[in-house]
Amino acid sequence: DAGVTQSPTHLIKTRGQHVTLRCSPISGHKSVSWYQQVLGQGPQFIFQYYEKEERGRGNFPDRFSARQFPNYSSELNVNALLLGDSALYLCASTTSEGRNIQYFGAGTRLSVL
Amino acid sequence: AQSVTQLGSHVSVSEGALVLLRCNYSSSVPPYLFWYVQYPNQGLQLLLKYTSAATLVKGINGFEAEFKKSETSFHLTKPSAHMSDAAEYFCAVSDKNYGGSQGNLIFGKGTKLSVKP
Repeated sequence: DAGVTQSPTHLIKTRGQHVTLRCSPISGHKSVSWYQQVLGQGPQFIFQYYEKEERGRGNFPDRFSARQFPNYSSELNVNALLLGDSALYLCASTTSEGRNIQYFGAGTRLSVL
Repeated sequence: AQSVTQLGSHVSVSEGALVLLRCNYSSSVPPYLFWYVQYPNQGLQLLLKYTSAATLVKGINGFEAEFKKSETSFHLTKPSAHMSDAAEYFCAVSDKNYGGSQGNLIFGKGTKLSVKP
């Protein structure tokens, strides 16, 4: 079975631009979470979606938004990019069984110049 | 609020030596605790998890961790390090549990493990 897939793998943008990152969860998983990992730090929670509804939001500005589609895939959007948005963005999916295991994709490396 | 502290941003051991990576947590409720490993340019892979069953948890690749409530610790150990264990290791605590989905993970800052030949 395919794991969590994220696209693109790498992305270079300039300040002020907009970016969309995509995530496909493991088949059968209905919950998707997004994390930001700045170089040298642990991942920080951005959003969680379950059954297409937002179930949690981390301490990130409104420039960050996300949505989940009927097939449970998800998009993370970031507007008005800042240099500080440069990071590895990780997507994780989990089952609906509440067993607290999140499976992570390889991430999208975003560089903002 | 829940939090995780990993002591030591960088640990270096010789091949065949004991690996000990330290993690202390802060939680007002019984926590769910996790260890993840991240190899260079890759995502996170679950090593093991504690979900209030046995306090000694065995994971993949020979790693194990012991939940000690009195010490609020969840240290990761491996009896004999292998060169392939060189990676970054993250301890995490689950934020809260929803009825039908997992809570968010709160990660420590990570410990980079180097293994010398």
